[in-house]
Amino acid sequence: DVKVTQSSRYLVKRTGEKVFLECVQDMDHENMFWYRQDPGLGLRLIYFSYDVKMKEKGDIPEGYSVSREKKERFSLILESASTNQTSMYLCASSSRQGWNNEQFFGPGTRLTVL
Amino acid sequence: SQQGEEDPQALSIQEGENATMNCSYKTSINNLQWYRQNSGRGLVHLILIRSNEREKHSGRLRVTLDTSKKSSSLLITASRAADTASYFCATDRSGYSTLTFGKGTMLLVSP
Repeated sequence: DVKVTQSSRYLVKRTGEKVFLECVQDMDHENMFWYRQDPGLGLRLIYFSYDVKMKEKGDIPEGYSVSREKKERFSLILESASTNQTSMYLCASSSRQGWNNEQFFGPGTRLTVL
Repeated sequence: SQQGEEDPQALSIQEGENATMNCSYKTSINNLQWYRQNSGRGLVHLILIRSNEREKHSGRLRVTLDTSKKSSSLLITASRAADTASYFCATDRSGYSTLTFGKGTMLLVSP
C-alpha cells in the first residue's frame, strides 16, 4: 500500500521559531511537493522537487525553504515562523515515469503559529 | 494563478441523488484530474482524464472533458452519506509535473 507520511498531524509554534515539517514517501517517486491549504484559497504550491538536491519555487515560496537530501524525504522549513503561516500543510509525491502525473498526498500537518 | 475553478462552491443533496460538479480552466492541458478530501485530511486521487478523451467512468464516477470549452464535470451517481467531502479538480501545467488545483466543491450528502 503506497504511503506518504508527514511528521506531525498538529503543530503549535511561537512567532520567530524555526519550524521543520517532514515528509516521507515509500513509492520511490522522483517528484515531491509542498502545498498550503487555506479556506477560500484552495491548495497553493509552495515548493517542489523533481530529484534529490533539486528544488523549484512554486507559487508562494516567500518565507519558506526546502531540503531534499534523500529521494524519499522532502522537508519544508519555516526559517522564522509568522502568524500568517498558520495553515494546513500538505505534502505530495508523484512519479516522473510516463504520462500519469497523479499525486499521492500525506494526511497533512495543521500548523498554528502563536 | 488558479487554473481550475470548481462550481458550485457547495452542494447539498439527499442520499441516492446524483451530484454534479463542474470545473473550468484557462490554458491548454495534458490531463485533468479530480481529487477528494475528507474533512481535515489529505487529498485522494479519484480519476484522471487525458486531453484526447471526452468521457471516463470509474464505479459511480463519471467525468467528462470538453477541451473546446475548457471545462470538465464530475458526476457521482446514487450518492451516499460517505461521499460527503470536498472535491477538487486539478490541471497539469503543460510540460511540468506540477498540478494546479481549484478551490473545490464541498459536497454534503444527507441520509
